[in-house]
Formats: sequence, C-alpha cells, structure tokens
Amino acid sequence: RKEVEQDPGPFNVPEGATVAFNCTYSNSASQSFFWYRQDCRKEPKLLMSVYSSGNEDGRFTAQLNRASQYISLLIRDSKLSDSATYLCVVSGTSGSARQLTFGSGTQLTVLP
Amino acid sequence: NAGVTQTPKFQVLKTGQSMTLQCAQDMNHEYMSWYRQDPGMGLRLIHYSVGAGITDQGEVPNGYNVSRSTTEDFPLRLLSAAPSQTSVYFCASSYGSGYGYTFGSGTRLTVV
Repeated sequence: RKEVEQDPGPFNVPEGATVAFNCTYSNSASQSFFWYRQDCRKEPKLLMSVYSSGNEDGRFTAQLNRASQYISLLIRDSKLSDSATYLCVVSGTSGSARQLTFGSGTQLTVLP
Repeated sequence: NAGVTQTPKFQVLKTGQSMTLQCAQDMNHEYMSWYRQDPGMGLRLIHYSVGAGITDQGEVPNGYNVSRSTTEDFPLRLLSAAPSQTSVYFCASSYGSGYGYTFGSGTRLTVV
C-alpha cells in the first residue's frame, strides 16, 4: 500500500465549478500535511499547509481528519489557471519521515 | 533572492559515466533534500540533510552520494550512471520539520 494515496484523475471541470480532491495517508505518526501544485514540466510549489482545524486561502479550502487519516482540498470558482497536478504531501517527526512523502498527484484541467 | 538553484537544467549521460548535480539555496535553510520524479511514481526521496555535515538516505539512495559541507550547498553525485536513473531530479530546502519546502526548477537527466 502506498504511504500517500490520491485519485489520479484526470478531473476535467468547467470554469466556475467547484472541485474536491481527496487523499489518504497510512502513517498515523504523520505530523505535517500540505498540498502542493505542480504545473507541467515545472517544480512543485507549496499551495497550502493543512491544519486539523481546517484552513482556507481564498478559493482554496483544506481539511484534515486525523482519525480517518484523510486530507481534502476544495477549489471553488475554478479558473483556467488552476489547471495543474495537485500533490498531497505528508511528513513525520523522526528520521527520513521528517522529509516529505508525496502522493502521485491528481490532475486537474479547467475547461473554458 | 534566488531561492533554490539547480544546475544543469538538462543533461545526457552515457551509461557508466559519473556526474554531479548541483544545488544551492540562499535562504539559510537547514533542511535540504533530493527527489527524483518518474511517470506514475510520484516524487521519491533519494537523500536528505538536516544540517551541514549531516546526511542520510531516503527511499531510493542506491547509485547516489551526497555531502553537505556548507548550509548553502547540497550536491548529488551519480557514481556510475545507469538507464534506470533517467529521471527528473529536484532539490528542495526548508527551515525544518513542519515547514513547507521550496523546490529548485529541476534537472532533466537522460542516461543512454
């Protein structure tokens, strides 16, 4: 079983739509959670951290459920510029787990 | 502020050749990591460092060496290139556990 699992998609949605991505992680000791965005042939860029209380940044809302080991990302009012691959990322507190463990990513295409 | 700088951006090697991928950051980050990204595999951790003079292995370290003589630099050495090492390599840095990472723009390596 992969440590971080995501639905690979692709998700094709019209402009203005709301889209949700889900992610599960296997290591219950994971302490930090992130969503990264990666454009085609570019480096991953931090989109937002994910906190237990849930957090929002403009059109983006992230949620964490530690009991279910589940992370989500909601994008409202999708823009063409949101087209990218979204990576669910977790990290722990000891050894190599302090580094990032990536999901394989969910591909989003926003259509005009 | 350059962030994380990787060189070269592209490289073609012959099987058995060695080379060093360079990575430098100017943010005074303690944590630095090397990842490789292959289609369908996501990003996988090769080696990481939590400070100058301290390095450790990640998920896929075989065939690679690293050193961290300064806070700023974290080169990745391919000892004897193999076609299986054809990949996109990303260097990343962070203040530490719990913080997001900043990625370099990547090195696209082809081994023939």
